Amino acid sequence: TQLLEQSPQFLSIQEGENLTVYCNSSSVFSSLQWYRQEPGEGPVLLVTVVTGGEVKKLKRLTFQFGDARKDSSLHITAAQPGDTGLYLCSPRGANSKLTFGKGITLSVRP
Amino acid sequence: DARVTQTPRDKVTEMGQEVTMRCQPILGHNTVFWYRQTMMQGLELLAYFRNRAPLDDSGMPKDRFSAEMPDATLATLKIQPSEPRDSAVYFCASGVRLAGAPYNEQFFGPGTRLTVL
Repeated sequence: TQLLEQSPQFLSIQEGENLTVYCNSSSVFSSLQWYRQEPGEGPVLLVTVVTGGEVKKLKRLTFQFGDARKDSSLHITAAQPGDTGLYLCSPRGANSKLTFGKGITLSVRP
Repeated sequence: DARVTQTPRDKVTEMGQEVTMRCQPILGHNTVFWYRQTMMQGLELLAYFRNRAPLDDSGMPKDRFSAEMPDATLATLKIQPSEPRDSAVYFCASGVRLAGAPYNEQFFGPGTRLTVL
């Protein structure tokens, strides 16, 4: 059974600050997805990373897949209140069950 | 703007009652997922279908839960009898695997918030 950990669990920051959150595992993955979920809604896919070391940018969000494909990070530059939400990572392995991390609750104060 | 729809959005019921949740996947998507989300456990996969056939329902308590796809436009999740510990938000997602991609693109519905008293 793969262990999947997202950190930190909760993060409250001021608008304009930068932040980095993590998704770590003991297993190697073929790909990994990041989702954002707002209150009362379902998760929305932000990005999929596939190659070890891959970096993808989505406006102020930068996603990185670890070289060994066991971990990933999400960096937000100049956070805005609209970035508030639950950030979930979901890795994919060859024979592993579909899983999601417990998520990171981000609150950006105006 | 294609979206996954779920009904009802909210359901309050009493222990022992039957609950049926419905999902309309995005037209053309051949994979449908059912998830349950709670504060304690996070988002858990209950079951998923591809081309209407169940592929994995190992996450679902078999004695009281059942999932079906009567046709390509409707997926149902039924709980009978319901228990207070079933209280959660239930999400349906539909997806499609792009040619050559090792993953599905999943699109989630807004969820059904179930409260069992």
